Amino acid sequence: KNQVEQSPQSLIILEGKNCTLQCNYTVSPFSNLRWYKQDTGRGPVSLTIMTFSENTKSNGRYTATLDADTKQSSLHITASQLSDSASYICVQGTSYGKLTFGQGTILTVHP
Amino acid sequence: DTEVTQTPKHLVMGMTNKKSLKCEQHMGHRAMYWYKQKAKKPPELMFVYSYEKLSINESVPSRFSPECPNSSLLNLHLHALQPEDSALYLCASSLGASGGPQGEQFFGPGTRLTVL
Repeated sequence: KNQVEQSPQSLIILEGKNCTLQCNYTVSPFSNLRWYKQDTGRGPVSLTIMTFSENTKSNGRYTATLDADTKQSSLHITASQLSDSASYICVQGTSYGKLTFGQGTILTVHP
Repeated sequence: DTEVTQTPKHLVMGMTNKKSLKCEQHMGHRAMYWYKQKAKKPPELMFVYSYEKLSINESVPSRFSPECPNSSLLNLHLHALQPEDSALYLCASSLGASGGPQGEQFFGPGTRLTVL
């Protein structure tokens, strides 16, 4: 069973709308939680990386939250643009360097 | 220079061919990674080099042979591949190989490999 679960699997929204992607993680020991954006056929691009002590981190229109008690993270996208259409991957890092990738959420933004 | 470059962008090869994928970074990173990604799946770790030494091999078949000639370069030599090896091959680098922020990985654009 994948220890990083993302939901929804896919999401379609209209341009200008906001959306929130969810991630549940169970990998131990926890070191950090990362969100990547991956365009089709391209390498993932880092959006945010949060350690245990951080609750929220923003990168432009992207805001990630982390709840270490419930082991949940979310990625909120504000005022979506067509260029936001991509796969968003939640990744958990352990203290010894191993990364566990979620299956990704495919976001499609329609005009 | 703040990016990871990969060549070639696309590669088509037969099952008897020998080819190599190349990855380069000039960010002073000391850890470099090879990942394999199938369509609509997350990247799967293949190899990790830390300070030019192979530190992780995720039970990858011997038809994939990594090489790290220096701290900026990472190669993946391919020989006698199978059609199921067709995938996007991603290279990444990080300042260190730890799990903390120093281990934040920067990915290259990938090489799209097709094995006929």
